[in-house]
Formats: sequence, C-alpha cells, structure tokens
Amino acid sequence: AQKVTQAQTEISVVEKEDVTLDCVYETRDTTYYLFWYKQPPSGELVFLIRRNSFDEQNEISGRYSWNFQKSTSSFNFTITASQVVDSAVYFCALSATTSGTYKYIFGTGTRLKVLA
Amino acid sequence: DTGVSQDPRHKITKRGQNVTFRCDPISEHNRLYWYRQTLGQGPEFLTYFQNEAQLEKSRLLSDRFSAERPKGSFSTLEIQRTEQGDSAMYLCASSLVGEMKTQYFGPGTRLLVL
Repeated sequence: AQKVTQAQTEISVVEKEDVTLDCVYETRDTTYYLFWYKQPPSGELVFLIRRNSFDEQNEISGRYSWNFQKSTSSFNFTITASQVVDSAVYFCALSATTSGTYKYIFGTGTRLKVLA
Repeated sequence: DTGVSQDPRHKITKRGQNVTFRCDPISEHNRLYWYRQTLGQGPEFLTYFQNEAQLEKSRLLSDRFSAERPKGSFSTLEIQRTEQGDSAMYLCASSLVGEMKTQYFGPGTRLLVL
C-alpha cells in the first residue's frame, strides 16, 4: 500500500521564524516521485518541487529547502524566514510507477499560518 | 503558455440534479487527471486519461460519475443524481509524458449540493 502522512495538521509561526513541515511516505516501489504543493486560499495547487527516489540530494530554492531521506522515508520541507505570504496549506504527494498512471497519493496537508 | 483551466469555478445545485464540469489542460499535455478534495483533506484520485483513453478509474468513481476526453483535448466530468456527499472541490491536472511526471493543477470547481 502507498501512503503519505503529514502529522502536523496546523502550524502557527511568527513572521521571520523558520518552520519545517514533515512528510513521511510508504511505498514498496523502488522508483517513485515525491512532490510538495502549496494551496493558497484560492484553492489552486501550486507545484513547488519534485524528487525522484534515486536522487537524495537536498535542494534549496531561495527561502525554501527540502530534505529527502530514504532511510527514514521522509521528505521534509523547511521555510526559512517565513513571511505572511507563505500562509497556505501545504501538501506532500507520492507518485509511484507501478500502475503506470503516476497518480498522486496526497497527505492530508499542513496548514501554515504566518503571523505578522 | 496558459495553465490548466476549469469551468465553472463554483456550482451550487440541488440534490438529484446533474452537473457537468469542464477541464482544459495545458496544450500538448497528453495526460489528464481528475481529483476530488473534501474539506480538510488532501485531493483523492478519481480518474486518468492518456490522450482520449480513460485508463484508470478509482473506486471512488461510482456509477453516477462519468468522465470523457474526446479528441484528447478538454475533459468533462459529469455527476448524475447528485447527493450531498458529492459536495467537494473537483480538481483537474495535466502532465506531459516524460516530463518527470509533474502534474499541473487547475483552480478547481467547488461543488455544493443542497
């Protein structure tokens, strides 16, 4: 079975604080893809990053960074110096190759509130 | 290049009525997906098209749901005899074969069944 767990339902931080959103996944596939999406109040899912199972290199993009660790089946997302505009629901998703559809399995999301 | 578009953005209907939603994927994207998202949950996969062929349907897609993608371009999702439990956000996404399997999502259609 494939599963994504985002244990943090809601996080509140004060602007300029760093915050880490956790994502733990389960899959038996050896080839899979992991994603993070941002969903602002407007509802549209905005793509942030993808990782394939063979690339454990961490990535930094501006204030965003991602830590992929296969040993713990985790793909965590850190926002440095958070801003009010970062307030949104963030989803982690898994796409495995077994079925050929590459459909996503989403976690339940983490609502981030950044307070001014 | 325009993104994925969906129409309508909002739909209010009475129980028992039929509704139809439209999704226009990014041009040249040959894969198209429908997801359903209920309040406080992540999106759940409903169905998938590669070009005009519907290749997979979730168990969530009851007999009252039907999706089409004629000519491999836009897609429609129809719900017949709507029930209050159908109230949700319906999201469409598209992707390009070979492009790292990344899906790009539309703004969604929010359905409320009274």
